[in-house]
Amino acid sequence: DGGITQSPKYLFRKEGQNVTLSCEQNLNHDAMYWYRQDPGQGLRLIYYSQIVNDFQKGDIAEGYSVSREKKESFPLTVTSAQKNPTAFYLCASSILTGFEKLFFGSGTQLSVL
Amino acid sequence: GESVGLHLPTLSVQEGDNSIINCAYSNSASDYFIWYKQESGKGPQFIIDIRSNMDKRQGQRVTVLLNKTVKHLSLQIAATQPGDSAVYFCAERGFGNEKLTFGTGTRLTIIP
Repeated sequence: DGGITQSPKYLFRKEGQNVTLSCEQNLNHDAMYWYRQDPGQGLRLIYYSQIVNDFQKGDIAEGYSVSREKKESFPLTVTSAQKNPTAFYLCASSILTGFEKLFFGSGTQLSVL
Repeated sequence: GESVGLHLPTLSVQEGDNSIINCAYSNSASDYFIWYKQESGKGPQFIIDIRSNMDKRQGQRVTVLLNKTVKHLSLQIAATQPGDSAVYFCAERGFGNEKLTFGTGTRLTIIP
């Protein structure tokens, strides 16, 4: 059963703590993306990767970091430098680069304790 | 249509009727457009996409219309069902930009 799996579904962060959100896909897609969704707002791009061992900053990369060591995995770390981390985080993938026909995971809700 | 802010535009439609959700885009050079459906607490689900060299594309119960003259995109859902209740949002990709810009969404409610 192919798809994109995000975990955990809910995550809580303490002040000064780094947390890592997992994203795994078994669709054999080359490109992967991380978006942030705040209530009533459009999705905003954090980071994206078009190929293994390469990634680019999106529009709101400050306070976040990523890695792409394997084609199927694209974890996102929310660092303590991100002062307003509470949001719904969405991972996506696409078979080609170029931001076409993105398929999304089920999301991770991150909240601050 | 979609707008920026905390309050989503809403549309209520009687079950079985057709619904039309509108989206205005800003970049006349955008070459690709896509519609997503998002249910509460879930990730967006791909509905349909269209390139700028087309003005209409049909899927199962859905039709996307593109009017480049007025920079307007619409999603038509035929014979709406309760399961169609969700937030729908469009996204555009600027030519050469390689990134999608997402709208804020329209909340569609199907009245039984």
